[in-house]
Amino acid sequence: SQKIEQNSEALNIQEGKTATLTCNYTNYSPAYLQWYRQDPGRGPVFLLLIRENEKEKRKERLKVTFDTTLKQSLFHITASQPADSATYLCALTSSGTYKYIFGTGTRLKVLA
Amino acid sequence: GAVVSQHPSRVICKSGTSVKIECRSLDFQATTMFWYRQFPKQSLMLMATSNEGSKATYEQGVEKDKFLINHASLTLSTLTVTSAHPEDSSFYICSARDPSPPLTIYFGEGSWLTVV
Repeated sequence: SQKIEQNSEALNIQEGKTATLTCNYTNYSPAYLQWYRQDPGRGPVFLLLIRENEKEKRKERLKVTFDTTLKQSLFHITASQPADSATYLCALTSSGTYKYIFGTGTRLKVLA
Repeated sequence: GAVVSQHPSRVICKSGTSVKIECRSLDFQATTMFWYRQFPKQSLMLMATSNEGSKATYEQGVEKDKFLINHASLTLSTLTVTSAHPEDSSFYICSARDPSPPLTIYFGEGSWLTVV
C-alpha cells in the first residue's frame, strides 16, 4: 500500500543552524510533492511545491529537494529561528487522481 | 492573506444537535474541496472529497449520513455533522484545490468542534 513516512520524533536544533526534515514514500509515483507548516490548533499553511521533474526548489530560507530514485524529499530551513518551530507535513499526489496523501508530520523545535 | 476561509473556528454544541461548518475559497473557483479530521498529535485524516455540483466521495469508514457535505457553488463547501455525539469532537479542516496547475492545495484555518 502507499505509504509516506516522516520522522515522527521531534527534531530539536539550535537557532541559526540548518534544520533538515525527511519525507520518504513507498509504492507511489508522485507527480507533485508539497510541504506544509502546521501550528498547534491551526490549519496547515502551504510552503513549497516541487514537481517530479524538478530536483530542487527554493524560497527564501527554505529549500526542498526531490529524489524520485530514492523516493525521498528533504526539506531544509537555513538560519533557523525559534519562530520556525512547528510541525511540518509533506504531501504527495499522483497525476492520475490528484488526491493528496499526507505524512504524519515532523515536529521541529528551534532552541534559542 | 487567507486563500481559504473556514467558519466557525470554534463551536460547542449539545449532543444530538447538528452543526454546520463552512469552507470558502477566496482567490479561485474550487471545483474540488476536501474535508479532513485531525486528532491531537496525529496527521490529517481525509474524510471526503467534495465536488461542485455532484455528490461527495467519502473515504472508507466515514459515515456519509453523519457527515453531510454540500458543494453548491465553486467557492463554498459545507460540512454538517448531524446528530453530534461527544466522540465527534475534533478538529475539522477543509482545503480547496487551485484548478490551475500545479493544483496546489490550500487549507482553511480549521474548526474546533466540541460536543457536550
